[in-house]
Amino acid sequence: AQTVTQSQPEMSVQEAETVTLSCTYDTSESDYYLFWYKQPPSRQMILVIRQEAYKQQNATENRFSVNFQKAAKSFSLKISDSQLGDAAMYFCARRVGTGEYGNKLVFGAGTILRVKS
Amino acid sequence: DAGVTQSPTHLIKTRGQHVTLRCSPISGHKSVSWYQQVLGQGPQFIFQYYEKEERGRGNFPDRFSARQFPNYSSELNVNALLLGDSALYLCASSLDRGQLYGYTFGSGTRLTVV
Repeated sequence: AQTVTQSQPEMSVQEAETVTLSCTYDTSESDYYLFWYKQPPSRQMILVIRQEAYKQQNATENRFSVNFQKAAKSFSLKISDSQLGDAAMYFCARRVGTGEYGNKLVFGAGTILRVKS
Repeated sequence: DAGVTQSPTHLIKTRGQHVTLRCSPISGHKSVSWYQQVLGQGPQFIFQYYEKEERGRGNFPDRFSARQFPNYSSELNVNALLLGDSALYLCASSLDRGQLYGYTFGSGTRLTVV
């Protein structure tokens, strides 16, 4: 199966506080890549953070960090010190081989993040 | 460096018509992928091209086709448009096939079929 599940359609956070977005996925592979993308109203998908499954250390990019639980197939995104500019749709994605030496991203349904001032 | 460029940004077509969407990858990127994003959903993979060869095809009908040119730009063609083809079409480029480097997305083409 190639399912990526985001169980939170919408989340809200107060400015300067911390929020966690959830993501679970299916895979039978031992090595794979996971991504969080942000899509603001401008529509462009922006890479937030990337995690390689064989690395046990959780990825961190400034205020963004992940909690990668490989056995549980869970990949949550934590946003610290939330800012108004963080408001967007957030997508969790997993890279999957296409069998022709190619790759594709399988996305979850997304979580709308609202930031309150 | 310019990012991934897609044209046009918006267009409206009538059912049964044909449409061509264009994508210019980041300079030096050899892979272009196409995704369809229906309103309120995550993007769905349509095609990947690398070095001008098709490397992957998603679960889309034969009305959808694509190609990659020698300069690595790409076109997505959709024939016999249906109302359900209305969506945001995203192009993503990568330095390789995507196995080591991430994907950079364009801002998409919003297609409305009436």
